[in-house]
Amino acid sequence: EAQVTQNPRYLITVTGKKLTVTCSQNMNHEYMSWYRQDPGLGLRQIYYSMNVEVTDKGDVPEGYKVSRKEKRNFPLILESPSPNQTSLYFCASSLRGSTGETQYFGPGTRLLVL
Amino acid sequence: QQQVKQSPQSLIVQKGGISIINCAYENTAFDYFPWYQQFPGKGPALLIAIRPDVSEKKEGRFTISFNKSAKQFSLHIMDSQPGDSATYFCAARPHRDDKIIFGKGTRLHILP
Repeated sequence: EAQVTQNPRYLITVTGKKLTVTCSQNMNHEYMSWYRQDPGLGLRQIYYSMNVEVTDKGDVPEGYKVSRKEKRNFPLILESPSPNQTSLYFCASSLRGSTGETQYFGPGTRLLVL
Repeated sequence: QQQVKQSPQSLIVQKGGISIINCAYENTAFDYFPWYQQFPGKGPALLIAIRPDVSEKKEGRFTISFNKSAKQFSLHIMDSQPGDSATYFCAARPHRDDKIIFGKGTRLHILP
């Protein structure tokens, strides 16, 4: 079954304690990205990756890091989380072909930073 | 320059009616315009997308209309059903890039 998995699904942490949210896809997609969703602000892209070892900043990259060492994995790292990073996070992967694009989102990770 | 403006914020439509959600953009470098559907507690799902070389794309009851000169695009849901009740996001992305900008979303409620 084609899927994007994220772990953990829920996380409560404290300010300054480093954390990693993992994202993995089993579809051999080249494109992967991270988004955050906040009430009233909608979805905003944090980082994206167009292939292994190729990453770039999205709309709101401050306070986040990513890496793409393998095609299937795209972890999101918060080196020193702050309360304004409390949000719902989604990872996605996509495949672009001549006939169109398919994209899958993960189930989301709800993060609370105290 | 980078914004995508979506309206309305919320929409209530009678079952069987037509739901229309509008988006406008400013950056002429955008050339991929997807719409996403999100149910409560779920991740977004790519619903339908269009490129500016066509003015309309239809998939089942869902149609995107695109007006390049006005820099506007809209989602039409024909014969709206209660199962269509969800939040819809428009988005725009430049050519050969994966940096994407979303509208703020429209909460659609279809009355049974």
